[in-house]
Amino acid sequence: QSVLTQPPSVSGAPGQRVTISCTGSSSNIGAGYDVHWYQQLPGTAPKLLIYGNTNRPSGVPDRVSGSKSGTSASLAITGLQAEDEADYYCQSYDGSLSGWVFGGGTKLTVL
Amino acid sequence: QVQLQQSGPGLVKPSQTLSLTCAISGDSVSSHRAAWNWIRQSPSRGLEWLGRTYYRFKWYSDYAVSVKSRITINPDTSKNQFSLQLNSVTPEDTAVYYCTRSSGEENSYNWYEKYWGQGTLVTVSS
Repeated sequence: QSVLTQPPSVSGAPGQRVTISCTGSSSNIGAGYDVHWYQQLPGTAPKLLIYGNTNRPSGVPDRVSGSKSGTSASLAITGLQAEDEADYYCQSYDGSLSGWVFGGGTKLTVL
Repeated sequence: QVQLQQSGPGLVKPSQTLSLTCAISGDSVSSHRAAWNWIRQSPSRGLEWLGRTYYRFKWYSDYAVSVKSRITINPDTSKNQFSLQLNSVTPEDTAVYYCTRSSGEENSYNWYEKYWGQGTLVTVSS
C-alpha cells in the first residue's frame, strides 16, 4: 500500500482532458513538501514530467500541468494524444518516514 | 547531458548480497548540486526509494527505513560512479533497480529524479 494514493486507472478520448489525483497526508504533501510527477512508458525508466508542483522540464509540452492544494496534488493533460498512454506516478517527501515516497501509479488509457 | 549506465548481476541467491554499480557521464559524483539515488520497482511494492549519497564538502548518505539495516550506497570518485549493496536478500527484494541523479533546493527535501539509469532486473532465487 503506497503512502501516496492515486487512482489505478483513468481514460479519455483523443483531444480530451484528463486529470490524475495524488492524495497524501499531513506528513508529506500536507506538510508543504513539493510533489513531482513521472511518466513511464512500457519497458522504460520513469521520465520526469512535472517538478516542484507546477514546473515543466524543457521538452515537456504545455498541455501537461500540475497543481497542489492541501494534502493533494493533480496532474492534468489536455488535448490527449495516443502517445500519452502510459503509467503516471507522483512523488513527495514524507517527514514521518524520513524519505521520498511514491504513489501507486495510474494507468492512462487513450480510447 | 547526464547519462547513467547501470551494471551488475541479474540473479542473486537468497541470503546473499545484491551489488549494482551506476557509472556517471556528463556530471560528477562529487557535484555539490546533485544527489545520487537507488530506487526499485516491483509489482508488489511499486516504486520504492532506497537511499542516496551526496557530497557537500564531505560525504553523506540517507537510507529508507525499510532497508536501513541492510543497505550501503557508496561513491567511487576514481571511477565517477556509485554503488548499491543490499545484504541478506530474500525473494521480496526481486525488482527492477534504478539509479538516479536528483536535483532540488539545497537545505530542503524538495528533490526530484531528473535522470534515470536504464534499470536492472534483479531476481532473488536459488
